[in-house]
Amino acid sequence: ETGVTQTPRHLVMGMTNKKSLKCEQHLGHNAMYWYKQSAKKPLELMFVYSLEERVENNSVPSRFSPECPNSSHLFLHLHTLQPEDSALYLCASSQVGAADTQYFGPGTRLTVL
Amino acid sequence: GEDVEQSLFLSVREGDSSVINCTYTDSSSTYLYWYKQEPGAGLQLLTYIFSNMDMKQDQRLTVLLNKKDKHLSLRIADTQTGDSAIYFCAAGRGNYQLIWGAGTKLIIKP
Repeated sequence: ETGVTQTPRHLVMGMTNKKSLKCEQHLGHNAMYWYKQSAKKPLELMFVYSLEERVENNSVPSRFSPECPNSSHLFLHLHTLQPEDSALYLCASSQVGAADTQYFGPGTRLTVL
Repeated sequence: GEDVEQSLFLSVREGDSSVINCTYTDSSSTYLYWYKQEPGAGLQLLTYIFSNMDMKQDQRLTVLLNKKDKHLSLRIADTQTGDSAIYFCAAGRGNYQLIWGAGTKLIIKP
């Protein structure tokens, strides 16, 4: 049990669809992250929220829109995606000041047709 | 930019020791991490070491850090089939950003 859950685990969507990925952490952490994992590429940090405020946005296209309503929940809203956005999207959480050790959810496997 | 490098593959016999190596470039890295990813799963934290340490042992896992050479290794003793996975090295300064390696796929031969 990692304490970080993600839904859905798998998602297939067309380029004109709108969908959302959900992440919930049960660890009492105060920072949450979205990562993109593509085949044969290093993990790419997309967004970081600390104390519910966005502190990092690594030049991610606007078709990805994050939302962090409270310290336990994180969403990634998707619209008009491209096939190259197909990847595993991982959510993580950490406690600021505690070695930044990040704990990951199982990921959402996204396929864009 | 800063970088973390790992070999893409390592093949070992069941029962032998596995040693996965990693080099990093950021001399300001405060924490060095090892994560494990099994097929279809997220990343599982295995262990981490502070930059002021040179060794950490946890059951079958031994982490060695050579800060001068910016070299980190993970030794898995008595490698089992359940150790088959991709192992990621990451370096951090404590500012949210972790620099990740591309991962080393550990293959276990019977």
